[in-house]
Amino acid sequence: GQQLNQSPQSMFIQEGEDVSMNCTSSSIFNTWLWYKQDPGEGPVLLIALYKAGELTSNGRLTAQFGITRKDSFLNISASIPSDVGIYFCAGQPQGAQKLVFGQGTRLTINP
Amino acid sequence: DTGVSQNPRHKITKRGQNVTFRCDPISEHNRLYWYRQTLGQGPEFLTYFQNEAQLEKSRLLSDRFSAERPKGSFSTLEIQRTEQGDSAMYLCASSLARRLTRETQYFGPGTRLLVL
Repeated sequence: GQQLNQSPQSMFIQEGEDVSMNCTSSSIFNTWLWYKQDPGEGPVLLIALYKAGELTSNGRLTAQFGITRKDSFLNISASIPSDVGIYFCAGQPQGAQKLVFGQGTRLTINP
Repeated sequence: DTGVSQNPRHKITKRGQNVTFRCDPISEHNRLYWYRQTLGQGPEFLTYFQNEAQLEKSRLLSDRFSAERPKGSFSTLEIQRTEQGDSAMYLCASSLARRLTRETQYFGPGTRLLVL
C-alpha cells in the first residue's frame, strides 16, 4: 500500500529558530495536508495543498506541494513555544478518499 | 460550526467486552471517516461513509468492528469482544465533498480506548 516517509522523526531546536520537515512517497498524491497534534487530542489542520507546485502560507507556516506530486515540505519560521507538538503530513492518493499519514515529526523547543 | 465531536473521550474496558464510540460530524458534512492511531504512529484509515452509505473498509477493520451512519449524520463504531491490541486512539473526521470543490478532512478530538 501507499506509504509516506516523513523526516525528521524528531527535532530539538531553540526558540526563534526556523524549522523544516518533509514527506516523500513512491506514489502520486492528489492532495497534501499538514496537521499538528497535541497530546491526547486529534490532528488540527494547518495547511492544505491541492495542486502540484502550489506554495501556501498560513502565518509563520509555509508548505509546498512538490512538482512530481510525490513530496511536500512544511517550514515554520521563528518558532515559538506553542509550536511544540507532533506534525503529520497526509496525502490523498489518486482515486481515493482516505488519507495516508506519515509517521510524524515531534518538535521540541528549548526556550 | 462546532467542529467534529466524539464521545466518550476515554474508555477503559476489560478484554472480551463490547464498546461503542460515537462521532458527530460538522453540520452538513456528507463524508465521515474513522481512523485508528496507535502510540507513536500516524492515523490509519479504517472506513468512510458518504451520507449513510459505507463506501470503503480497510483490511484493518476486522469482523469484530462495525460502523454505522444510519441517518447520514452521526456515526457509531462498535468493537465486539475487545482485545488488548485494540487499545488505540480512534479518530473521526468529516468533510464536505461536492463537485468542483476541494475536500478537506477535519478531525475530532478522538476516543482513547484502553483494553485491560
